[in-house]
Amino acid sequence: EADIYQTPRYLVIGTGKKITLECSQTMGHDKMYWYQQDPGMELHLIHYSYGVNSTEKGDLSSESTVSRIRTEHFPLTLESARPSHTSQYLCASSAGSKTNYGYTFGSGTRLTVV
Amino acid sequence: QQQVKQSPQSLIVQKGGIPIINCAYENTAFDYFPWYQQFPGKGPALLIAIRPDVSEKKEGRFTISFNKSAKQFSLHIMDSQPGDSATYFCAASSRSGGYQKVTFGTGTKLQVIP
Repeated sequence: EADIYQTPRYLVIGTGKKITLECSQTMGHDKMYWYQQDPGMELHLIHYSYGVNSTEKGDLSSESTVSRIRTEHFPLTLESARPSHTSQYLCASSAGSKTNYGYTFGSGTRLTVV
Repeated sequence: QQQVKQSPQSLIVQKGGIPIINCAYENTAFDYFPWYQQFPGKGPALLIAIRPDVSEKKEGRFTISFNKSAKQFSLHIMDSQPGDSATYFCAASSRSGGYQKVTFGTGTKLQVIP
């Protein structure tokens, strides 16, 4: 079954720790995205990738970094977590073809930094 | 600058009612308008989408109405059910530099009461 997987679902971590949020998709999509979702629902694009070895920063400034070494894998790393990083992080992918622009989202990682 | 304005922020209807969520945009380069549905603890899921050469699209109980001249589009949910209670996001997409760029609305939290 084609899908997009995020791990962990929930993470509570202390300030200053390094963390990596995992995202993998089995659909062969070239395009992948990371969004940060406020408690008030709004989605903010923080990183995106249009293919292997291609990564760009999104509209919302973020202290995180991403890598895209394999098509199916798009991990997000915080070198030093802070309480301000507490949020829901959503990974998405898309084929981005002329006939299919829709996004497939993962279930998200709820991060709490204490 | 919010390129896609969504209203209302929240909406409560009784079962069987027809909730309507509205979105407006400014960028005439947008050429794809999807709606996403998000349940608590899940990522958004593509619900229905429309292109600007069509004024209406129906899929089951969900209908998108599109007014190109007014640069507005809306989601109608016919015969709403408690299971439709979720957050709904409109979005608009355009191709920029050969890549797809998606802008999301701020979300509408819908509650359908029995």
